[in-house]
Amino acid sequence: ETGVTQTPRHLVMGMTNKKSLKCEQHLGHNAMYWYKQSAKKPLELMFVYNFKEQTENNSVPSRFSPECPNSSHLFLHLHTLQPEDSALYLCASSPYERLNSPPLGNTIYFGEGSWLTVV
Amino acid sequence: DAKTTQPTSMDCAEGRAANLPCNHSTISGNEYVYWYRQIHSQGPQYIIHGLKNNETNEMASLIITEDRKSSTLILPHATLRDTAVYYCIVRGEDGANNLFFGTGTRLTVIP
Repeated sequence: ETGVTQTPRHLVMGMTNKKSLKCEQHLGHNAMYWYKQSAKKPLELMFVYNFKEQTENNSVPSRFSPECPNSSHLFLHLHTLQPEDSALYLCASSPYERLNSPPLGNTIYFGEGSWLTVV
Repeated sequence: DAKTTQPTSMDCAEGRAANLPCNHSTISGNEYVYWYRQIHSQGPQYIIHGLKNNETNEMASLIITEDRKSSTLILPHATLRDTAVYYCIVRGEDGANNLFFGTGTRLTVIP
């Protein structure tokens, strides 16, 4: 139990469906992240939110739409996905985002991930 | 952030110490060494991090060489549940939001 909870753990969706992944952190952190891990590839950062504001979009296609209503919740809205989008999607949180952050204590903690299969 | 180099895979006998090396020869003065591990089908788990001094917690010990160009993660008594991919990451203050995981070391603990 890392304090970062993701739902659903597994999702199968068609290419025309609209679905959402949800992440909730119980750690009192101010920064939240979405990462993608495809088969046999390193983790890739997708989005970063700091105090509910998006601070980084790592050239992610618009069919992925993040939403951060507050510092504890993060969503990833999915629509018209492709089979190659099938992957493990990981949510993470940390006390701070970068820039002027104290060097210590800014460890990033991950959720268990949501396995997405696009058919 | 500095690039890291790790062996692709390692085996360790159950109950013995697992020593996982990492080279980070281009590390700069304000960059920290972080270790995470990922057990199959789960999210990465934070293990330990350090800057200059050796560090120890309930999970592992981190030994950083004096020139900071390499480090070793030590699991003192490996168990079967320690089988995972271990990632060594160098991370600075201005790279805090992008952990570059690389391919890591796949540690297999053998009964």
